[in-house]
Amino acid sequence: KNEVEQSPQNLTAQEGEFITINCSYSVGISALHWLQQHPGGGIVSLFMLSSGKKKHGRLIATINIQEKHSSLHITASHPRDSAVYICAVIARKAAGNKLTFGGGTRVLVKP
Amino acid sequence: GAGVSQSPSNKVTEKGKDVELRCDPISGHTALYWYRQSLGQGLEFLIYFQGNSAPDKSGLPSDRFSAERTGGSVSTLTIQRTQQEDSAVYLCASSSSMGGGTDTQYFGPGTRLTVL
Repeated sequence: KNEVEQSPQNLTAQEGEFITINCSYSVGISALHWLQQHPGGGIVSLFMLSSGKKKHGRLIATINIQEKHSSLHITASHPRDSAVYICAVIARKAAGNKLTFGGGTRVLVKP
Repeated sequence: GAGVSQSPSNKVTEKGKDVELRCDPISGHTALYWYRQSLGQGLEFLIYFQGNSAPDKSGLPSDRFSAERTGGSVSTLTIQRTQQEDSAVYLCASSSSMGGGTDTQYFGPGTRLTVL
């Protein structure tokens, strides 16, 4: 079983819909990242969380440390939100800040 | 430069050849990471440099892979005797982190390696 699991693997939404992507992990962590990767593009860090909730524009990320679960929400989705969203954790036992990645969620927002 | 840069952006090589991939981190960032993204495996950690400390090589898949970081800045990832399964996008990231998981990692655009 992978240490970081994401669901769903693929998601299609209509423009304006509310989107939720889930991430579960099985190890103790010091931080969790949500990353965005556009087709043919590089990876951008959206959020880094160790507790609670963060908001940036239409994006909201939450984490529940006790349940080892995080969610990324996209409100009022837009076609430009189409990308792969990747959850990654820094395991507490890991030396340094190396990331362990989930498999990604491919999001397509249709106009 | 404003961000992490990598070169080349694309590299096509023949099986058995050696390749070198370069990463220029953000100036002043002490931590540098190499990751690999392949179709079958997703993203995986390869190696991590922090300042002048010995690198964490725990993610390197075989002894054909090595990396160095000169002067605490530029890093080179070398793959010897390349195999077709080495085909992937190799990503570099840097952060100002001194540890503790509290710093954002900034990713470069990657080098797409194709081994024929």
